[in-house]
Amino acid sequence: QKEVEQNSGPLSVPEGAIASLNCTYSDRVSQSFFWYRQYSGKSPELIMSIYSNGDKEDGRFTAQLNKASQYVSLLIRDSQPSDSATYLCAPEAYSGGYQKVTFGTGTKLQVIP
Amino acid sequence: SAVISQKPSRDICQRGTSLTIQCQVDSQVTMMFWYRQQPGQSLTLIATANQGSEATYESGFVIDKFPISRPNLTFSTLTVSNMSPEDSSIYLCSVEGAGGRHNEQFFGPGTRLTVL
Repeated sequence: QKEVEQNSGPLSVPEGAIASLNCTYSDRVSQSFFWYRQYSGKSPELIMSIYSNGDKEDGRFTAQLNKASQYVSLLIRDSQPSDSATYLCAPEAYSGGYQKVTFGTGTKLQVIP
Repeated sequence: SAVISQKPSRDICQRGTSLTIQCQVDSQVTMMFWYRQQPGQSLTLIATANQGSEATYESGFVIDKFPISRPNLTFSTLTVSNMSPEDSSIYLCSVEGAGGRHNEQFFGPGTRLTVL
């Protein structure tokens, strides 16, 4: 079983729609959760952090966390073509005495104009 | 977030040679990491660069192949030794603790390495 699972996509949504990106993780002790956006040929960019169950909103982005279900999601409202990128889910947990982030393989999002 | 630079941004190397990649941050950070990202894949952690002590390597990565230095809180190097074509990848450094943002990692622009 993969530690972090994401649908690789591509997920295609029309411009202006809501894009929903999902992620499940296997490590029950994960405490912090991050979403990164990676444009082709670029390095990952942190866009959201969430630490508690529930929703966290930042502009057009909403992260949702359910630790009991080991599930975290990212919603992008009013999707724009500039949102087209690969989104990486990254839970963090203590491992071997220090914090370690494990990255999923990412979901490729395509926003169609 | 911190401003992170990496040198070189890309390189083409012959097999059997070594390449040292530098990572510089514009402010002191608590943690520095080195990742590898192979084409079409996600990020794999190579090691945590510890200031003033030996790096902590992940399973599958060894010091002889990927020696790491971290002489201070703003700088680290990763050397890819005795390279083979399988080492062709993007190598990324990341930092944690910049600007008091504990737990959040920020990435440098990466070094694209091609080994012939």
